[in-house]
Amino acid sequence: EAGVTQFPSHSVIEKGQTVTLRCDPISGHDNLYWYRRVMGKEIKFLLHFVKESKQDESGMPNNRFLAERTGGTYSTLKVQPAELEDSGVYFCASSQVAGKSTDTQYFGPGTRLTVL
Amino acid sequence: GNSVTQMEGPVTLSEEAFLTINCTYTATGYPSLFWYVQYPGEGLQLLLKATKADDKGSNKGFEATYRKETTSFHLEKGSVQVSDSAVYFCALSPDNYGQNFVFGPGTRLSVLP
Repeated sequence: EAGVTQFPSHSVIEKGQTVTLRCDPISGHDNLYWYRRVMGKEIKFLLHFVKESKQDESGMPNNRFLAERTGGTYSTLKVQPAELEDSGVYFCASSQVAGKSTDTQYFGPGTRLTVL
Repeated sequence: GNSVTQMEGPVTLSEEAFLTINCTYTATGYPSLFWYVQYPGEGLQLLLKATKADDKGSNKGFEATYRKETTSFHLEKGSVQVSDSAVYFCALSPDNYGQNFVFGPGTRLSVLP
């Protein structure tokens, strides 16, 4: 069974440009999460989809970030326009069962974003 | 609110040494606790978890016990190997719906031959 995949693995862009990150969750997982780790600090929650609906987007830092999950399968996270402080590693995770705090989240390898 | 504190390292050990990485948490309610590991060039992998007080999670020789009285979930391994070199993250999942993980800052472990 394929795990969570993310594309691209690395992205280097200039300040003010736009970048779109993609996440493909494990097939059949309704829950999809985005996290990011900035400057080697702790991994912080960004938002949570249940199927195509945003369950919780309280972690999104500002309106330059837009996440979508059309059709409830893969998700994209767009940063527009990118700023220097957006540099970091963006992780995606998925889990199978909604509403269970013990359900394990499976993580992708992350996308390393560098904004110059 | 919910938070996780862990020793940030880096931690450098010789092969076969004993490993402890401390993790403490604050949480409202009754969270589940996790250790994730990130090997070089790879994503986060679940190492072990515990869902209630006094539960012991174990995997690949690593162990951690959910201690509610001390709000801790320290990771231990009796004899580390070079292949254990990685970054280790302690995390909690709140018991409310939504299960948004809260992570610690990560501890980088380097094991020397």
